[in-house]
Amino acid sequence: QKEVEQNSGPLSVPEGAIASLNCTYSDRGSQSFFWYRQYSGKSPELIMFIYSNGDKEDGRFTAQLNKASQYVSLLIRDSQPSDSATYLCAVNQAGTALIFGKGTTLSVSS
Amino acid sequence: NAGVTQTPKFRILKIGQSMTLQCTQDMNHNYMYWYRQDPGMGLKLIYYSVGAGITDKGEVPNGYNVSRSTTEDFPLRLELAAPSQTSVYFCASSPPGTFEAFFGQGTRLTVV
Repeated sequence: QKEVEQNSGPLSVPEGAIASLNCTYSDRGSQSFFWYRQYSGKSPELIMFIYSNGDKEDGRFTAQLNKASQYVSLLIRDSQPSDSATYLCAVNQAGTALIFGKGTTLSVSS
Repeated sequence: NAGVTQTPKFRILKIGQSMTLQCTQDMNHNYMYWYRQDPGMGLKLIYYSVGAGITDKGEVPNGYNVSRSTTEDFPLRLELAAPSQTSVYFCASSPPGTFEAFFGQGTRLTVV
């Protein structure tokens, strides 16, 4: 059974701080890694994806991947109240579907 | 571009009734998925398809059926609705290679 684990939170950070979200996965054959953001009552939207070990930056967001440790993280710099949402980690092995974690709820206070 | 379109957005079913959740995408994506999301939980995969005529079970397929006769459409069938199927259902699609999933707006189903 392929598993994706996330701390459910809530993770609370003050406005302007760095939020760090973590995810581990069980399937060593996983090849693609995704972070989705989901606002309450809405559908998930893709924030970032990463395929190779290391860091990938996009604006205030940085995804980090360590395949040896089976670990993916998402850093949000200069957190804003509008970043308050549930963040879903997802992994994929080629030819199969995305498997999601349960998500981490982030709360950014102003 | 419409993206991924799901209908209906809301539905109330009685126990034992049947219904089909519709999903259509206009992005010519090979991969399509059905997930369910219970309150406070992540997304659980029900069924997925890697192309027309090909479907496979996910984590929670019991009580559901799917078909994929065209690239665009991937309907989900509930044959005998049960209260345990009360959930929000999301359809998604992704292109091969990148596997970035694009989601529909969801269907909120209540079985009473």
